[in-house]
Amino acid sequence: DTGVSQNPRHKITKRGQNVTFRCDPISEHNRLYWYRQTLGQGPEFLTYFQNEAQLEKSRLLSDRFSAERPKGSFSTLEIQRTEQGDSAMYLCASSPRTAGPYEQYFGPGTRLTVT
Amino acid sequence: DQQVKQNSPSLSVQEGRISILNCDYTNSMFDYFLWYKKYPAEGPTFLISISSIKDKNEDGRFTVFLNKSAKHLSLHIVPSQPGDSAVYFCAASAVGNTPLVFGKGTRLSVIA
Repeated sequence: DTGVSQNPRHKITKRGQNVTFRCDPISEHNRLYWYRQTLGQGPEFLTYFQNEAQLEKSRLLSDRFSAERPKGSFSTLEIQRTEQGDSAMYLCASSPRTAGPYEQYFGPGTRLTVT
Repeated sequence: DQQVKQNSPSLSVQEGRISILNCDYTNSMFDYFLWYKKYPAEGPTFLISISSIKDKNEDGRFTVFLNKSAKHLSLHIVPSQPGDSAVYFCAASAVGNTPLVFGKGTRLSVIA
């Protein structure tokens, strides 16, 4: 399967714990995006990488959130001191360098439940 | 403030008939519009897109229409098939390749 992969698919954690999610984009896609989707809403943009550079961050991304893409390949999203309001589906998407960034290819997401 | 609005949370259509999903936007800087389809437990899948310089784009059974003056776009699926049952998201991007802004989605049910 050469699509975008995300791990883990599900994560249950207690409030106050730290969690880290991983995204592996489609090979050779230089753009990588993180979104968050809550129940009844569409995906909301969190942050965006072009290669290893983090080019944009949403105001939704509080200080407890950090994302990295160290070698311009996979990316991690860490949430520190989780809160119940962080419970959501976290989606990763990638986009190829040969096309406009509009057409983004999404992974299956990581569903986070904070108890 | 929602910049992309899908005002119909759900839509039910008979198999073989046309499905019309609607989307309105408020930001006049948006210049590219996309439709994504999402099945349960999967990420959204890109379906079809349209640039603001066009008013129609067609791909097989799927056609997207854009009315810039009304800030409205619609997705037509004809004929509708049971496998089309999914949540459909409208998304938009502004000049300068800004991140996608999504609507809340419309759940389409195609009844056999």
